[in-house]
Amino acid sequence: KQEVTQIPAALSVPEGENLVLNCSFTDSAIYNLQWFRQDPGKGLTSLLLIQSSQREQTSGRLNASLDKSSGRSTLYIAASQPGDSATYLCAVKDSGGYQKVTFGTGTKLQVIP
Amino acid sequence: EAGVAQSPRYKIIEKRQSVAFWCNPISGHATLYWYQQILGQGPKLLIQFQNNGVVDDSQLPKDRFSAERLKGVDSTLKIQPAKLEDSAVYLCASSQGQVNTEAFFGQGTRLTVV
Repeated sequence: KQEVTQIPAALSVPEGENLVLNCSFTDSAIYNLQWFRQDPGKGLTSLLLIQSSQREQTSGRLNASLDKSSGRSTLYIAASQPGDSATYLCAVKDSGGYQKVTFGTGTKLQVIP
Repeated sequence: EAGVAQSPRYKIIEKRQSVAFWCNPISGHATLYWYQQILGQGPKLLIQFQNNGVVDDSQLPKDRFSAERLKGVDSTLKIQPAKLEDSAVYLCASSQGQVNTEAFFGQGTRLTVV
């Protein structure tokens, strides 16, 4: 059974700092890994999708990496801004069985002005 | 491009009552998902449709939850009867296909069972 863990559960940083969020998964047989952002009371906004054959994806100030063999992904946020404050979730899609999508419990980020 | 639409946004019901949620996915998206997100946890997949067929409902509590996607477009999720532990946000998502395609989420329906 796939298990997805995100550390830390919460993070508070001053504005302008670069930061890294971590996601680990137990079963490396995956199709892809997706990072989402969730604002309070809102749905999920897709940030980056990394295919299993890819090592990283970039969008603006965001860079996500994937090391499938070690079961790890990181989301790097450069020059953080108060508007980046949200909960960040990673989700992996298994390549076997039902291609089930399993989410982590998220990292709650607060960027202090 | 219109996003995933869900209604209602909020619902409060008493335990043992029934409730239904509606989802309209992005046009042309064949895959539709229903997730349950309990406060402080990540979303948990309840059911996945490919067109109007069920791909995975292994985590759906079938004694009280049901879902359908008639005509392979919009979908409804029903809970009957509701329990206190069903209080959660119910998220609908859609994607073009099952494999290696990005999932887009609606804003969710926040259910409170009292």
